[in-house]
Formats: sequence, C-alpha cells, structure tokens
Amino acid sequence: DAGVTQSPTHLIKTRGQQVTLRCSPKSGHDTVSWYQQALGQGPQFIFQYYEEEERQRGNFPDRFSGHQFPNYSSELNVNALLLGDSALYLCASSRDRWNEQYFGPGTRLTVT
Amino acid sequence: KQEVTQIPAALSVPEGENLVLNCSFTDSAIYNLQWFRQDPGKGLTSLLLIQSSQREQTSGRLNASLDKSSGRSTLYIAASQPGDSATYLCAVVDGGSQGNLIFGKGTKLSVKP
Repeated sequence: DAGVTQSPTHLIKTRGQQVTLRCSPKSGHDTVSWYQQALGQGPQFIFQYYEEEERQRGNFPDRFSGHQFPNYSSELNVNALLLGDSALYLCASSRDRWNEQYFGPGTRLTVT
Repeated sequence: KQEVTQIPAALSVPEGENLVLNCSFTDSAIYNLQWFRQDPGKGLTSLLLIQSSQREQTSGRLNASLDKSSGRSTLYIAASQPGDSATYLCAVVDGGSQGNLIFGKGTKLSVKP
C-alpha cells in the first residue's frame, strides 16, 4: 500500500498566478481533506471532499477550490496567489470523516 | 470555538529520559483525539488515535491518555532516543467540526545523545 501520495513535492510561483496540487488517497479511503500549514504553526483545515462533493469548508477564501475524482483522488486549486499563501499543503485521507486520518508528505508552495 | 493548546512549545532532554507532552482543548465534546509526529519539512505521521470513550492507547514506547472532562491529553514517551526528535502535534475532532482535525501548534522535541 503506497499510502497517501502528493504531487508535486515543491513548487515556486509568482504572485497572481494559479496553482494546482494533487493528492491520491490511501487504498480503501473515500474521504480527502486538505490542510495548510504555515511555518511554526499547526495545520489549518481548508476543505473536505466525499463522493466528489465538498462536504465542509474551513475559513479560507473562494480563491481556494478543489475537486474529487471518481477514483477518490483530489486536487486543490489556488487562484490569484498571494505571498501569504506560501506554506506546506497537506492532504489527508480516511475511510470516512470520523475515522483516523492519514497524511501525505505535503507540497511546499513558495510564492514570490 | 474549539481551541487546542500544547505546552511546552519546545523541550530538550537527554537520551534515555521518560517524558510527557501535554495537550489541552477548550470544548470537551470531542469525537476523538490524534497524536502526530512531524519531521522538519515533512508530512504528519499518525502515532495514536484515542476515541472519546477511551482513556488511553499504547503503541510501543508511546502511551497517550485522554481526560475528556478536564479537556486534557498527555503523550508519554518512555526511554527517549535521538530518533524521537521531531515536532509532536495533537489534534481533536469535535462534534461541531464534522470530522475535520483541529490542531495545536505542536511541541518541538529534541533528544540529545
């Protein structure tokens, strides 16, 4: 079992650009959640996907959007990038929203 | 609004010492609590999950306890090793969060040889 995988590992973008991050969940998991972790902080919940629908959302602007595909993989899109979007983006998967969440290695996004 | 606090923010101990990391949460109506380990610049590794009906969970040298009524959890690490050096994060799922994790800022542990 490959566990949760994310791509790319690192990304450098310029202010105003758009970015897409990808996540493949652990085998057997149908729920995918995305978190943003700024340096020195705990992860902050962005949103959660189940059955290709956004089930719940944290306190993030509409510039952050996502998608879940029929194979349960997911994408996180961020438009009009700001310097403050620089962070480690973590994807987590679980069997359902109430079960143990398993995290991927993260994507380090740097906005210049 | 649920808030999770971890004390201390950083801890340095000599190898072999037993240690306790603390986590507190403001709303006792939690569904479960998870402890994670994070190495620098890496993702999170799940260490232990405690359901709200449980008092403790053990895995190898790790033992996590939960006191829901007082809003506290502790992670006990026995016979610490340099390889235990990492940031340890505590997170809760409360009834109002619908399954998303609410994290503390973590405790950065350094175990000196």
